[in-house]
Amino acid sequence: GIQVEQSPPDLILQEGANSTLRCNFSDSVNNLQWFHQNPWGQLINLFYIPSGTKQNGRLSATTVATERYSLLYISSSQTTDSGVYFCAVENSGTYKYIFGTGTRLKVLA
Amino acid sequence: ETGVTQTPRHLVMGMTNKKSLKCEQHLGHNAMYWYKQSAKKPLELMFVYNFKEQTENNSVPSRFSPECPNSSHLFLHLHTLQPEDSALYLCASSQRGGRARNEQFFGPGTRLTVL
Repeated sequence: GIQVEQSPPDLILQEGANSTLRCNFSDSVNNLQWFHQNPWGQLINLFYIPSGTKQNGRLSATTVATERYSLLYISSSQTTDSGVYFCAVENSGTYKYIFGTGTRLKVLA
Repeated sequence: ETGVTQTPRHLVMGMTNKKSLKCEQHLGHNAMYWYKQSAKKPLELMFVYNFKEQTENNSVPSRFSPECPNSSHLFLHLHTLQPEDSALYLCASSQRGGRARNEQFFGPGTRLTVL
């Protein structure tokens, strides 16, 4: 089946710093989502981005489907950005999302 | 607030108990999902329902029994669980088919502890 790898696995930042999270996948995908899981376990939708670039405030994401990767950019990070960021991809024709192992982000005040 | 609710939020049960988890979506979606998230592991898909019909059972042990009475409600019935079944159980919904994006929205999860 499709493999989804995220990097880095852990990231510690000072408040105000910028970061880039990466998601690599091993096969063609129909859909791709980025989520933020807060400390209470809730998965919050950040981006639905099977291709192209989107921006939402301090966050932006880019997916290059032909090269099988997606990037999540966090600018001017805040302590509330702490948590785990997951990439999930839907393999073409399967209707199933496969989740990566996540990037655990800690932003220090 | 994602439009997907789950109850209870926390559950502690013994290995001989029977309990049920409930999920309800208010988004008008046609597909619902159960995922399991164990400590330090990625989310694992357990079951998929599309228009109330089960379309995926990801080799889940029979001590987990799903039920989908309609497109808005999903249950996970639990019986004779093991301590290794302790995890966060997440429900999700999406709209599939046609021009729908199949974008998934998640509930807050039920944190289950099996003693």
